Amino acid sequence: AQSVTQLGSHVSVSEGALVLLRCNYSSSVPPYLFWYVQYPNQGLQLLLKYTSAATLVKGINGFEAEFKKSETSFHLTKPSAHMSDAAEYFCAVSDRGNTPLVFGKGTRLSVIA
Amino acid sequence: DAGVIQSPRHEVTEMGQEVTLRCKPISGHNSLFWYRQTMMRGLELLIYFNNNVPIDDSGMPEDRFSAKMPNASFSTLKIQPSEPRDSAVYFCASSLNRQYEQYFGPGTRLTVT
Repeated sequence: AQSVTQLGSHVSVSEGALVLLRCNYSSSVPPYLFWYVQYPNQGLQLLLKYTSAATLVKGINGFEAEFKKSETSFHLTKPSAHMSDAAEYFCAVSDRGNTPLVFGKGTRLSVIA
Repeated sequence: DAGVIQSPRHEVTEMGQEVTLRCKPISGHNSLFWYRQTMMRGLELLIYFNNNVPIDDSGMPEDRFSAKMPNASFSTLKIQPSEPRDSAVYFCASSLNRQYEQYFGPGTRLTVT
């Protein structure tokens, strides 16, 4: 069975500071990994995905994530936080296409001016 | 493209009433997923369809929940009778064969009093 652990239910950073949201996964097969962002009262928007190509994945809004098989991690980073980045971020895993995603509990990112 | 469309966006009903949530996937997508989001349990899969056929409904909480996909452009999730513990945000998502990411609708916020 697959699972995702997101360390830290709430992360707070200053505007302009580095954003680091942690995600560790468990999968018995090579995983497909995703980061989604959810703004208040909205659906989930795909930030980026890893599907066994390059291990460093670039996404929208300046975010990127690195797949590290040895650490079973897929941490999300952004060099400089912006106020508009404040949202809930979800890491998710699946074992193949067109199958359900298994989500982590989410990390709420706050950005302080 | 209009994206995944869900209706209604908000639903308030009394315990015991029937509730029907609707979803229109992105045109051409052949997989459709229903997820539920609560504070306690996070995002969890209820059921998913591939080419209009239910593949896995093990996440449906109990017999009060049912889902249908009569054609490629429409799906419903029905709760009968509804209970206060069904209060949650229900998301519909769709995906395309050979792609791995899912596209989410805006969700339906259900409140059962």
